[in-house]
Amino acid sequence: EIVLTQSPATLSLSPGERATLSCRASQSVSSAYLAWYQQKPGQAPRLLIYGVSTRATGIPDRFSGSGSGTDFTLAITRLEPEDFAVYYCQYYDHSPYTFGQGTNLEFK
Amino acid sequence: QVQLQESGPGLVKPSETLSLTCTVSAGSIGGSYWNWIRQAPGKGLEWIAYIHYTGSTNYNPSLRSRVTISLDTSRNQFSLKLSSVTAADTAVYYCARSLLRQPADYWGQGTLVTVSS
Repeated sequence: EIVLTQSPATLSLSPGERATLSCRASQSVSSAYLAWYQQKPGQAPRLLIYGVSTRATGIPDRFSGSGSGTDFTLAITRLEPEDFAVYYCQYYDHSPYTFGQGTNLEFK
Repeated sequence: QVQLQESGPGLVKPSETLSLTCTVSAGSIGGSYWNWIRQAPGKGLEWIAYIHYTGSTNYNPSLRSRVTISLDTSRNQFSLKLSSVTAADTAVYYCARSLLRQPADYWGQGTLVTVSS
C-alpha cells in the first residue's frame, strides 16, 4: 500500500501570498494517478488537480500541480480568501486509493 | 451535472450493521464507478470501496471482511453495508463518482453516522 505524507501539517499565510504544499509517496508512483482535493469545513472534498497537473473543470489557474516519482507539489499563487481550507493528495492507480493526512492552509 | 445524495440512519449500535444508500440524479449509473469514502471526525479521508456499473467491486483490504457494496440500476442507487461496527466506524460517509482510472469528481454532501449504544 502506498502511504502519502503531506507537509506541512499546517501552513499559515496571508491573502496574496503563494502557497506550496507537499505530498510525498512511500515509493515511486506513476504520475498519471496523483490528485489533489480541497475541503472546506462541513463540505465534501472538491477535486482540484488530477494526473499530477491537470486542473479539474472550473478550477482557476492559480492552482497548479507538479512532481514525479515520490515528490509532488500543489502550488497556489496569489491566495484568495476562499482558498483557505484543508488540502489532500490522493493516489488512485490501484486499490486502496489512499489519501494523505492533509495540510491545513490557514490565515496568518 | 451528476448529483449524489446519501441517506440512512445517523445512529447505529455497536456490533450492528451500518447501511447507507446513495441516490444518483441528473445522470446515469452507467459508465461510471461508484465509491464510498469516509472521514472520521477531525481526521482524513479513507476510501472504502467502489462498484462499477457492471457490478464489479473493489474493496479496501482493511475493511474488506466487513463491507458489502451493491448497485440498483433501476433506482439509480448504490448502497454500502458495514457489519460489526464499533466506535471507530463513526464518520461522515460520502458517496462519490469516478471514471475509469480517474479520481472522484462528483461527491455527495456526506452523512454523519455515529456508532453508539
